[in-house]
Amino acid sequence: DGGITQSPKYLFRKEGQNVTLSCEQNLNHDAMYWYRQDPGQGLRLIYYSQIVNDFQKGDIAEGYSVSREKKESFPLTVTSAQKNPTAFYLCASSILNSQPQHFGDGTRLSIL
Amino acid sequence: SQQGEEDPQALSIQEGENATMNCSYKTSINNLQWYRQNSGRGLVHLILIRSNEREKHSGRLRVTLDTSKKSSSLLITASRAADTASYFCATDRETSGSRLTFGEGTQLTVNP
Repeated sequence: DGGITQSPKYLFRKEGQNVTLSCEQNLNHDAMYWYRQDPGQGLRLIYYSQIVNDFQKGDIAEGYSVSREKKESFPLTVTSAQKNPTAFYLCASSILNSQPQHFGDGTRLSIL
Repeated sequence: SQQGEEDPQALSIQEGENATMNCSYKTSINNLQWYRQNSGRGLVHLILIRSNEREKHSGRLRVTLDTSKKSSSLLITASRAADTASYFCATDRETSGSRLTFGEGTQLTVNP
């Protein structure tokens, strides 16, 4: 079955620690996205990538970093500079720009 | 700022009734998309309507788009308990490249 796999499902971060969230897709999609969702709110775009080895900042990129070394993979690192990282993180992909996005089931990040 | 704003924020109905959710946006769009999110899960794409379309159907879903009023509505007919979820509109703005901008969603509860 094709789809998007996010791991881990739950993640805990200590003060001063960087953590990396994994996102893998086998849909052969060019575009991939990372969103942050806070309780009762919509999605805010962190970073997106339209092609391997290229990515752009979204609306809330500060304190986050990404890489896109392979078409299938788009990991997100939450750095210690992100002072309020507790949220639900969603990864998505799409065939082309502006096309429907397919989502993973998210990673819930909390502070220890 | 959020491009899409859903109305109402929450809606509670009985099984068999129809549910209508509205979305307003601010700038010109290429298309508007509706997504559903079950609690603790990723988003699932429901329907995409292009700026030159006025109405679209998919099963029990009916979406309308009024570009002169910058608004869209999602109608779910003959609702079922399994339709309980949050529903989000997302706009593909003409100036946004490949980005979607999500509203804050409508929480729909369908009581058996």
